[in-house]
Amino acid sequence: EIVLTQSPGTLSLSPGERATLSCRASQSVSSSYLAWYQQKPGQAPRLLIYGASSRATGIPDRFSGSGSATDFTLTISRLEPEDFAVYYCQQYASSLYTFGQGTKLEIK
Amino acid sequence: QVQLVESGGGLVKPGGSLRLSCAASGLTFSDYYMSWIRQAPGKGLEWVSYISSSGGTRYYADSVKGRFTISRDNAKNSLYLQMNSLRAEDTAVYYCARRGVELWLDYWGQGTLVTVSS
Repeated sequence: EIVLTQSPGTLSLSPGERATLSCRASQSVSSSYLAWYQQKPGQAPRLLIYGASSRATGIPDRFSGSGSATDFTLTISRLEPEDFAVYYCQQYASSLYTFGQGTKLEIK
Repeated sequence: QVQLVESGGGLVKPGGSLRLSCAASGLTFSDYYMSWIRQAPGKGLEWVSYISSSGGTRYYADSVKGRFTISRDNAKNSLYLQMNSLRAEDTAVYYCARRGVELWLDYWGQGTLVTVSS
């Protein structure tokens, strides 16, 4: 089973700043099979990025994804107040999915 | 618009059983793979299971294999999760989600809470 490790656990930033979230896989992951989700308190997760770098429908272009093999990154270019949430990466391999443990993005 | 509504959660004793349902609308249900994902209180997301559009293919996380069974009724636009031999560590909000054409979970329900406690 591929384990995804996200860092940092918590990221404290101010609106307008740039956020960089990391997702590291225990084995190489095809870029096609890596996604990012956002979850706000009391809400279901929302798909942000799939295929490592493709934005899902309706996702603002301040969100971008990059990376390959074992290292992937979610970047939020300029934080808006509504972006403070928990972010999860997810991978698909051998017909199974796994999630990272999440990064909490909080207001500084 | 796509809507997924889970039901069937509640309080159950360890070793007990529960059946969750997910009612889908606003989509051609029979065209899509569907999945269950859970989230323990204050914890992260854990993928549980998915089922193919026809129901012929099913996969499970190791943590629930042999205890949980995913199924669907395309005539009723419904997804199910039969949970047996429940343990305290199965306590979580259970979400159903649609697997979109790109493999990813693009629509989610609001979840139903399952509490396993004596």
